[in-house]
Amino acid sequence: SQQGEEDPQALSIQEGENATMNCSYKTSINNLQWYRQNSGRGLVHLILIRSNEREKHSGRLRVTLDTSKKSSSLLITASRAADTASYFCATVAGGSEKLVFGKGMKLTVNP
Amino acid sequence: NAGVTQTPKFQVLKTGQSMTLQCAQDMNHEYMSWYRQDPGMGLRLIHYSVGAGITDQGEVPNGYNVSRSTTEDFPLRLLSAAPSQTSVYFCASSRDGQFYEQYFGPGTRLTVT
Repeated sequence: SQQGEEDPQALSIQEGENATMNCSYKTSINNLQWYRQNSGRGLVHLILIRSNEREKHSGRLRVTLDTSKKSSSLLITASRAADTASYFCATVAGGSEKLVFGKGMKLTVNP
Repeated sequence: NAGVTQTPKFQVLKTGQSMTLQCAQDMNHEYMSWYRQDPGMGLRLIHYSVGAGITDQGEVPNGYNVSRSTTEDFPLRLLSAAPSQTSVYFCASSRDGQFYEQYFGPGTRLTVT
C-alpha cells in the first residue's frame, strides 16, 4: 500500500526554472527520502530528512518537511535538462522497518 | 566498488518456468531488499533481509522465495512464473536498515509469456 503520494504526477519546465514536487503521506514517519530514477535505470538516493528536521539542502536540492500537514516538498533550483527523470518519495513509518515508495512523478526539463 | 549488481538484465520466461534473479553487493551492507516496479504502481517491496540468515516478507511476497546465506548475495527465486510477474525487479541494499539511504541495482526486466 502506498504511503506517500507525489504531486503533480508530471511537470514540464524550461531549463533554468525551479521545479517543486510535493509528497503527502498518511501516517507518522521516522524519515522521508527522495529518490531519482532516470529512464531505464535504478533509483538513486537524493536526500533523507528525519521527522525532527524541517528543512535540508544538498546542492541545488532543497527538501522541506511539515509533519503537522504530513507533507514534504522537493525543490530543484536552476533546473537542467539532466534533471529530467522520475522522482519518488519514500517513507519509513514509525515502528516499521519497511520503506514504502510513492508512485512517482515525472519531471521533464526542456533545453 | 561495483555497488549493487543484478543479473540478468533481461529475461523472458514461459508460464510455469522457474528462475533465480541474482543480486550481489560489495559494500558489506546488512540490509537488502527486493522490489518490483510496475507502470503506475511505484515500487513494491517483495522480500527483505536484515542480515545473513534472516529474511522477511514485504508487501507482495506471493510467488517468490528468498534466502540470505551470505552478506553479499540475496537471490530472488520465482517458483512458477506467471504473466502477473512481468515487471522490472530491483534489488537494493543499505548500511543498516531502512533508516539509511538505499543503493539500488540497475534492475532486471522480466517478461513472462
